[in-house]
This record gives sequence, C-alpha cells and structure tokens, in this order.
Amino acid sequence: AQTVTQSQPEMSVQEAETVTLSCTYDTSESDYYLFWYKQPPSRQMILVIRQEAYKQQNATENRFSVNFQKAAKSFSLKISDSQLGDAAMYFCAYRSGGSTSGTYKYIFGTGTRLKVLA
Amino acid sequence: KAGVTQTPRYLIKTRGQQVTLSCSPISGHRSVSWYQQTPGQGLQFLFEYFSETQRNKGNFPGRFSGRQFSNSRSEMNVSTLELGDSALYLCASSLVASSGNTIYFGEGSWLTVV
Repeated sequence: AQTVTQSQPEMSVQEAETVTLSCTYDTSESDYYLFWYKQPPSRQMILVIRQEAYKQQNATENRFSVNFQKAAKSFSLKISDSQLGDAAMYFCAYRSGGSTSGTYKYIFGTGTRLKVLA
Repeated sequence: KAGVTQTPRYLIKTRGQQVTLSCSPISGHRSVSWYQQTPGQGLQFLFEYFSETQRNKGNFPGRFSGRQFSNSRSEMNVSTLELGDSALYLCASSLVASSGNTIYFGEGSWLTVV
C-alpha cells in the first residue's frame, strides 16, 4: 500500500526567507502524481503545485517549486520569498495513476504547519 | 465561476442519528470526491463519484455512503453516528475522474457528534 510521510509537524520561516518542506512516499507503482496542498485557517484546501511522476523536470509555480527525486521517493516543497499569507498547513499528497486498476485514490501526509514570522 | 459549495457548513448530531451532507461541484465538473479530516487520522479519502457511479472507495465502514445525481451534485450519508465520526468533511470536484486532474475543494462541513 502507498504511504506518504511528512516528518516535520511544524516549521517556521522569517518573512522573505526560503523554507523547504519535506515529503517522502512509498509506492511500487510507476505511474502516479504528487501534489502539495495548502490549507489556511479557513480550511479550504488549495492546490499549490503538482508533479507528474513521468516528468523529470521539477514543477515550479511562481515562488513555489519542488525537488522531485523519484528514485529516493522524495518530493519536497520550496517556498521562496515567504510571505505572511503563506502561513498555513501544507499537505503532501499522492495519487495513483490507476492505469491498470482504474483506481485514483488520494493519499495525504499528516501535514506540516508553516508559521511565517514578521 | 462559483466554486465547490458544501452544505451545511456546521452541524451537531447525536450518537445513533444519521446525517446527509451535500456538495455542489464547480459547473461543468463531473467528478466529486469526499474526504474526512480529523486531528487523529488526518485527511482520508472516502469515495469518488463520476457520472452517477462510484468509481473509488476508501477504507471506511458501510455506514458511510454516497451518491451522485445527474446534475453532478453529490451527497454523502453517515448512518448510526459515532463520536469518532466528528470531523471536517471535505468535498472536491474535478472535470473528470482522472488521476491527473486537478481537484478543487469546498470549504467543508463540520460535523460534531455528541
């Protein structure tokens, strides 16, 4: 069974600095997708960035980028120029490609609470 | 474009009762998935519906069920409520039930079982 592990329950970063959130996963599948979601106090989950496992190039979305190491099964999120609005719970998620079974279950990590210090 | 709408936002139920939560997806989205979020278990996938058919199911007891209507709106039902069912229930929609599709979440329904 697939698992997603976020080993940092909480992280802090100074405003304008850079922070990296860690995520590791375990799977025997070759076709899958990885995501980072942000959950602010409003509790509405917002997609931050996604990565297709078949793509070697790391995904980037403005100040957010990932370091995808497929062999190591690692998927870390780097936030550059941190802003107060980045403070939230961040979840790493795995979704099976389901090419054979047709199942596309999402599996989420336990989350990392990011605090941004002014 | 309106986002994913979940109703009710907050509700309190008594043990043994049953509850129905509703989710209206983004216009044009045909896939709806449900998740349970608790402090102890984190975020867990419940099930996913597409074209009125359940496509995927998580590891939850049969007390948790759902359905999808022809207009893509979805409901989930929990029967014989237990204290442990207290949670934030999140609904998400996507265009189709495909692994690569981005899913968009609603604000959730807070269920408290007393």
